[in-house]
Amino acid sequence: DSGVTQTPKHLITATGQRVTLRCSPRSGDLSVYWYQQSLDQGLQFLIQYYNGEERAKGNILERFSAQQFPDLHSELNLSSLELGDSALYFCASSEDRGVYNEQFFGPGTRLTVL
Amino acid sequence: DQQVKQNSPSLSVQEGRISILNCDYTNSMFDYFLWYKKYPAEGPTFLISISSIKDKNEDGRFTVFLNKSAKHLSLHIVPSQPGDSAVYFCAAGASGGSYIPTFGRGTSLIVHP
Repeated sequence: DSGVTQTPKHLITATGQRVTLRCSPRSGDLSVYWYQQSLDQGLQFLIQYYNGEERAKGNILERFSAQQFPDLHSELNLSSLELGDSALYFCASSEDRGVYNEQFFGPGTRLTVL
Repeated sequence: DQQVKQNSPSLSVQEGRISILNCDYTNSMFDYFLWYKKYPAEGPTFLISISSIKDKNEDGRFTVFLNKSAKHLSLHIVPSQPGDSAVYFCAAGASGGSYIPTFGRGTSLIVHP
């Protein structure tokens, strides 16, 4: 158990809809990262938040947004969903101490868009 | 353009033998490298790392070798055990940047009893 929790585990929705994925980081970790893993793809970095502020952006679509709340949990919002958004979405957290930024991953949310 | 490449999607090994997972990178700014292991229905977990100032790092049955001139690293598992069956992700990062590693697509290792 990494200490990172993600809800829900599975989500099935239709094209055009909007969903929210939730992540609670390990106790004490200030950084939260969101990744997308599509079929046969590696982990694509989407966005990082550090102590409530956006710190880094990766390949995140404009239809996607995230935020980190004062209690440090984070939400990833996906809107106007398309079939291609079907993927595993992982949240990770870290102490953000610099080099060897070991990230602790949650179990992921599997999103299926029909 | 993939900056971290794991060209073998899968690898099958007999229990007790050596497993060698390979990873190539293209960005010369990368100076730290990590391996993560992922079981089905779980998130990736950190396995071992290496800095560019070293060419080898060992942790029990796991050893990572780094060849900077070839921009190549490998993970050796000796001896391989059925419990090692998982997807292994190679990741690389630049300490002068955002410290967010770039991940490869993973290699699925199957260790047969």
